Amino acid sequence: SQQGEEDPQALSIQEGENATMNCSYKTSINNLQWYRQNSGRGLVHLILIRSNEREKHSGRLRVTLDTSKKSSSLLITASRAADTASYFCAILTGGGNKLTFGTGTQLKVEL
Amino acid sequence: EPEVTQTPSHQVTQMGQEVILRCVPISNHLYFYWYRQILGQKVEFLVSFYNNEISEKSEIFDDQFSVERPDGSNFTLKIRSTKLEDSAMYFCASSEILGIGAGGAGYTFGSGTRLTVV
Repeated sequence: SQQGEEDPQALSIQEGENATMNCSYKTSINNLQWYRQNSGRGLVHLILIRSNEREKHSGRLRVTLDTSKKSSSLLITASRAADTASYFCAILTGGGNKLTFGTGTQLKVEL
Repeated sequence: EPEVTQTPSHQVTQMGQEVILRCVPISNHLYFYWYRQILGQKVEFLVSFYNNEISEKSEIFDDQFSVERPDGSNFTLKIRSTKLEDSAMYFCASSEILGIGAGGAGYTFGSGTRLTVV
């Protein structure tokens, strides 16, 4: 399977702390994307990192990509209760146009 | 900010009935997708659509499923004879460019239609 697999499956932290989620995959990729999903809601795109990029920032988000290890991490700094959601990585491979999603990390940020 | 709109938000149907899930992609996007998420499971790719034809489909997308862009605006997913295991959240998405959205911003997903087959 080429799917992304996130760890941890669940993460509970206090507001103000940083949250780090990891994603591993098995094939070569074109790009890797991170999405957020609030409970029972749609997927919101957070950030996209191309295979030739190593790090990307967007606001409080920092994504790294290590293609040699076939892994990516998403760091949310100074977390807020509103960051509570599930976070998914998704990979785009080859010449195709389908995203393959990982299993997701459920993040809970407590006050 | 442009949105992908899906209707209805929730549909309950009897097993064996046909359902049509509707989506209005972002107007200048060229690529359209359907994904589904069974409760508690991964988001799974169903089908991609470009230039009025299917460009890729998964094993899940069997003969019971079809997609259509009937009027240049709407993008529909039809399930001909629903089964209990079709119960899931169905997401429509669109992108401007193959594989990535505008400016490398990823796909834009709709809020989903929760399909419940009883």
